[in-house]
Amino acid sequence: DGGITQSPKYLFRKEGQNVTLSCEQNLNHDAMYWYRQDPGQGLRLIYYSQIVNDFQKGDIAEGYSVSREKKESFPLTVTSAQKNPTAFYLCASSIEGTVYEQYFGPGTRLTVT
Amino acid sequence: GEDVEQSLFLSVREGDSSVINCTYTDSSSTYLYWYKQEPGAGLQLLTYIFSNMDMKQDQRLTVLLNKKDKHLSLRIADTQTGDSAIYFCAAPSSNTGKLIFGQGTTLQVKP
Repeated sequence: DGGITQSPKYLFRKEGQNVTLSCEQNLNHDAMYWYRQDPGQGLRLIYYSQIVNDFQKGDIAEGYSVSREKKESFPLTVTSAQKNPTAFYLCASSIEGTVYEQYFGPGTRLTVT
Repeated sequence: GEDVEQSLFLSVREGDSSVINCTYTDSSSTYLYWYKQEPGAGLQLLTYIFSNMDMKQDQRLTVLLNKKDKHLSLRIADTQTGDSAIYFCAAPSSNTGKLIFGQGTTLQVKP
């Protein structure tokens, strides 16, 4: 079965620690995305990548970093510089480009205390 | 800049029809999408419509597109409690080259 996996489902960290969220896809999609969702809010784009070894900042990139060393993987690091890291993080992918339909993973809920 | 707007909340009785509305600004949008998000889950692609169509029906779902008014709607017939979720519309932006999501409409279905 093809799809997008995110792990873990729930993640707890202490303030001041960096944490890396995993996103893997086996859909052979070129483009991958990271979104943040806060309660009652829509989606806000953090970073996206259209091709391996290349990525662009989205609307709220400050305090986050990404890498795209493999087509299948697009991990997101939430650094200690992110002031309000507690949120629901969603990873998505699309076949090519960034205007086509996106397919989403199940999400990771990060809680920082 | 390009924008996609939705009302935030809709409440209906089980068995009634639900209509969720969306407006977009980019007139060059090709495909327009509807997603469903159940509590604590990711977004699921529900349906889509191509911009040269006025209507698309898929079982209980009907998508209507008014290109002149840049208005998209999703009608759910015989709404069930399992339809309770957040519904997002999405439209591509020719300006930014990205898919733009609306804020999401929370559908509450009362028994």
